[in-house]
Amino acid sequence: DSGVTQTPKHLITATGQRVTLRCSPRSGDLSVYWYQQSLDQGLQFLIQYYNGEERAKGNILERFSAQQFPDLHSELNLSSLELGDSALYFCASRALGTGVTEAFFGQGTRLTVV
Amino acid sequence: GENVEQHPSTLSVQEGDSAVIKCTYSDSASNYFPWYKQELGKGPQLIIDIRSNVGEKKDQRIAVTLNKTAKHFSLHITETQPEDSAVYFCAASPSGNTPLVFGKGTRLSVIA
Repeated sequence: DSGVTQTPKHLITATGQRVTLRCSPRSGDLSVYWYQQSLDQGLQFLIQYYNGEERAKGNILERFSAQQFPDLHSELNLSSLELGDSALYFCASRALGTGVTEAFFGQGTRLTVV
Repeated sequence: GENVEQHPSTLSVQEGDSAVIKCTYSDSASNYFPWYKQELGKGPQLIIDIRSNVGEKKDQRIAVTLNKTAKHFSLHITETQPEDSAVYFCAASPSGNTPLVFGKGTRLSVIA
């Protein structure tokens, strides 16, 4: 168990809908990263939050947004869903350290858009 | 930005043989190189990592080597077992809290 919790594990929704994915980082970790993994694809970085503030953006669509709350959990909001948004969505958390620290991943949310 | 290339995309080995997966990166500022194992239906799990001030690191049957001059690093698994079958990802990161950039993964099959 990595200590990173993602809910829900599975989500099936229709095109055009909006969903919210939730991530609780490891206790004390200030950084949260969101990644998308499509079929047979690697892990594509979407967005990073650090202590409530957006820190870095990757290939995140304008239809997607995220936030990190004071208790450090994070939510990824996906709107106007398309069939191509079907994928695994992972979050990872990292502690603050003086050097580089390990990133730990949750079990992911499998999103299916029908 | 950083770009990580990973080879091969699939690898089949006989049980007991060794497996080697190679990655190259583009950003000379990268100094942290983790390897993750992803089993079916699960999230990526960190199995070993190496920092730029080290050339090699071992943990039982797993080892990672880093050549900063050539900008490549490799994962070596010795005495492979069926439970080693999974998808392996390499990644690189410049430093601190910057996002990890991943390779596209290698699907390793260990044949009993």
